[in-house]
Amino acid sequence: EAGVAQSPRYKIIEKRQSVAFWCNPISGHATLYWYQQILGQGPKLLIQFQNNGVVDDSQLPKDRFSAERLKGVDSTLKIQPAKLEDSAVYLCASRLGADIYTEAFFGQGTRLTVV
Amino acid sequence: GESVGLHLPTLSVQEGDNSIINCAYSNSASDYFIWYKQESGKGPQFIIDIRSNMDKRQGQRVTVLLNKTVKHLSLQIAATQPGDSAVYFCAEEGYGSAGNNRKLIWGLGTSLAVNP
Repeated sequence: EAGVAQSPRYKIIEKRQSVAFWCNPISGHATLYWYQQILGQGPKLLIQFQNNGVVDDSQLPKDRFSAERLKGVDSTLKIQPAKLEDSAVYLCASRLGADIYTEAFFGQGTRLTVV
Repeated sequence: GESVGLHLPTLSVQEGDNSIINCAYSNSASDYFIWYKQESGKGPQFIIDIRSNMDKRQGQRVTVLLNKTVKHLSLQIAATQPGDSAVYFCAEEGYGSAGNNRKLIWGLGTSLAVNP
């Protein structure tokens, strides 16, 4: 089975610029997560989608971050404008369903460096 | 040990020894627990899970123990190999205080170093 695909793998931008990340989850997975992982820490949930609806975005800095999941499949996460502290790995994960006792599958992540 | 800021707890073992990685979880209402392994430059990878109606579950070379009384989870790796070197995260899941949707909460992580 194909895994969760993310692109790009790496991105370097200057502060105040914009950036977008793309995620293609495993086919049939209704739940999609975006996580931010700062070096040396565990993943921090930014947003959780169930199909194309937002379930939890309580930790998403909405003044600069936005995310959408078109047609309940692919998703994009955007940062505009970026700050130095946004440097992190952005992980996308998908899951069959949030109310089912199954694991989440993660992509390789996008490593963002803001200079 | 305790993790503070960027300093992950580290466990160092000899190849062939058994490893035990511990995790304290926070929500007594959590009913599902997962262990993930994260190698450098990769996303977390599922290792094993356990539901709250069990106290032990075994996989290939790995065993997860759940003690709900003290809200403690452990991962045991038998005959640890160099390929087991990674950061290990526990995650707990249960319904939020509003009782509507399930939240997956991640622990801080433990770095396992296997010495050949």
